Amino acid sequence: DARVTQTPRDKVTEMGQEVTMRCQPILGHNTVFWYRQTMMQGLELLAYFRNRAPLDDSGMPKDRFSAEMPDATLATLKIQPSEPRDSAVYFCASGLEGAHGYTFGSGTRLTVV
Amino acid sequence: AQSVTQPDIHITVSEGASLELRCNYSYGATPYLFWYVQSPGQGLQLLLKYFSGDTLVQGIKGFEAEFKRSQSSFNLRKPSVHWSDAAEYFCAVGASFMNSGYSTLTFGKGTMLLVSP
Repeated sequence: DARVTQTPRDKVTEMGQEVTMRCQPILGHNTVFWYRQTMMQGLELLAYFRNRAPLDDSGMPKDRFSAEMPDATLATLKIQPSEPRDSAVYFCASGLEGAHGYTFGSGTRLTVV
Repeated sequence: AQSVTQPDIHITVSEGASLELRCNYSYGATPYLFWYVQSPGQGLQLLLKYFSGDTLVQGIKGFEAEFKRSQSSFNLRKPSVHWSDAAEYFCAVGASFMNSGYSTLTFGKGTMLLVSP
């Protein structure tokens, strides 16, 4: 089965450090999402790309978060500087526009101490 | 803006018993509705989806869901639960973005299913 691959699987970092999370969407998928999951807020949409162009990143704190798709096989989510409140599981999902349903990666568990 | 409510945070069901997980949505247009399942430490797996047509949809692992427009509901059901079904279940509504069709998903807070022997 085709999979969305996320790296790293787990990341522990100190407050103030830069964190980069990577996602390899399924080949041929033209839409990519980043979601953040916490106990308190559940699943929150951070960013949405279609054909590598950012369409909606209104859910993302702009001062410290940035999301890019340098090419069709890689999406990145960067936090600089990281803060303890950023601790969460970050999921990437990809899909094909017009199709039904997105495929999620296994997530990156981020802990900021 | 769209929203999803899953009123049950936890549900415990005996193995072999039937299951129904509730989901209510709020969306101004025709919704696209989904159920996802998440096992501990894993990503979300799509169980089933509703876009149009038959309001009773079948999914994987023996799950089904029924769309009821009058009740704004999309409840998930399974006739006989297995211990391996213990997981967290998320209902989601798809919202059209910039009138371009189905796009982003808004998730409910999830229902944790516990299966007792």
